[in-house]
Amino acid sequence: EADIYQTPRYLVIGTGKKITLECSQTMGHDKMYWYQQDPGMELHLIHYSYGVNSTEKGDLSSESTVSRIRTEHFPLTLESARPSHTSQYLCASSDHDGFFSGYTFGSGTRLTVV
Amino acid sequence: KNEVEQSPQNLTAQEGEFITINCSYSVGISALHWLQQHPGGGIVSLFMLSSGKKKHGRLIATINIQEKHSSLHITASHPRDSAVYICAVRGQGAQKLVFGQGTRLTINP
Repeated sequence: EADIYQTPRYLVIGTGKKITLECSQTMGHDKMYWYQQDPGMELHLIHYSYGVNSTEKGDLSSESTVSRIRTEHFPLTLESARPSHTSQYLCASSDHDGFFSGYTFGSGTRLTVV
Repeated sequence: KNEVEQSPQNLTAQEGEFITINCSYSVGISALHWLQQHPGGGIVSLFMLSSGKKKHGRLIATINIQEKHSSLHITASHPRDSAVYICAVRGQGAQKLVFGQGTRLTINP
C-alpha cells in the first residue's frame, strides 16, 4: 500500500494549459522532492522542500513552481504547459534525508503536452 | 563524467542466473541507495547503505567505501526481477541524492 500518492497517473494536455500535479504523503515526512525523468534517462531533482513554507529549486532548471502549505502536500504547477515539458514527474519524501527510513517514491505522473 | 556510474547499462539473463550490477562513484558519501523502477515508472527503495553489506530475500547489496564502489546482487533471478535498477548517492554534507543512469535488467523465462 503506497504511503505517497501522485495524481494524475497519466495526463495528456494541450499547449498553454495550466496544470497541477498532486503529491501527498501520509508518513509525516518533513522532506519532499520532485524529480523529472525523461525516458531511459536518470532522475533529475527539480524542486525540494524541507518543511512547511520551505521550497528550493533543484539541480535541473524547471519552469514549474511548487508550494508546501501543509506537511503532507507538495503540489507542482506548470502555468503554461509546452511540449518540452513532456516527461515523467516523480514525487518522493524522506525522513532525515533518508538516513533512517530511506526514500519513498510515488508512482509518478507521465505528462504529455501536445 | 557523471558522479555516479553504473554498469552494465543493459543486462539480459536467463531465469535462475546470479546477477551483479555495479555502481561506482567519485565523491565521498554519507549513504548509497539502490532503487528499483518497474516499467510502470514507480520507484521502490531497496537498500540504503553506508558500510558493509545488507540482504533482503534474494537481494544482496555491498559497499566498499575505500574503493567508492557498490554492487547489487540478485540470486536465483526471476522474470519479475526485470526492472531498471538505480544507484543513488548522497554526498557528505550534501542534502540531495545524485543518481546513476540506471541498469535495465531483463530476465527471460
